[in-house]
Amino acid sequence: AQSVTQLDSQVPVFEEAPVELRCNYSSSVSVYLFWYVQYPNQGLQLLLKYLSGSTLVKGINGFEAEFNKSQTSFHLRKPSVHISDTAEYFCAVSFGNEKLTFGTGTRLTIIP
Amino acid sequence: DARVTQTPRHKVTEMGQEVTMRCQPILGHNTVFWYRQTMMQGLELLAYFRNRAPLDDSGMPKDRFSAEMPDATLATLKIQPSEPRDSAVYFCASARASGVNEQFFGPGTRLTVL
Repeated sequence: AQSVTQLDSQVPVFEEAPVELRCNYSSSVSVYLFWYVQYPNQGLQLLLKYLSGSTLVKGINGFEAEFNKSQTSFHLRKPSVHISDTAEYFCAVSFGNEKLTFGTGTRLTIIP
Repeated sequence: DARVTQTPRHKVTEMGQEVTMRCQPILGHNTVFWYRQTMMQGLELLAYFRNRAPLDDSGMPKDRFSAEMPDATLATLKIQPSEPRDSAVYFCASARASGVNEQFFGPGTRLTVL
């Protein structure tokens, strides 16, 4: 079965500390991977995507993610978070077509 | 600054009433998606269109929901009759051409059905 899992529903992190938000998927076909961010009362905005090539992808706002095919993971990282990073983060997977399947989201809270 | 626009941003209505939500995709984008976001179910794809033709509406309750694209600049999602369980935020997103491309999301319509 094809699925996307974000195990952490909430992640509190101190300001300027590093953060990793986890995303795992299950698929029998090649995948394309995305991370979106949703600020309060707004739509989703693309942070970064992996379509092919280098498995380490860099996105906006200092975020990066690494595609690990053997572990079927696409974890999102930032070395030093800021208050403005407080938001909900969604991992999304395309299982070979233009439709996206979204994870349940991880709410990142930055503690001053 | 090209953006997806959605109207209305907020809608409160009573059970049984018809609700129409509108979306204007980014000019030049020919693929339009409708999503519903709730606390319980997260983000669900309801339907999507390419070049105004419906490609997949399997996520949409057919008895009360309908989605159309009267022209390339307007997509509509209609609920008739509305029920309290339809309360959610409805997002429209558009993407360029076919294949796997970034989806650009609108700000959403927050629907409350009393």
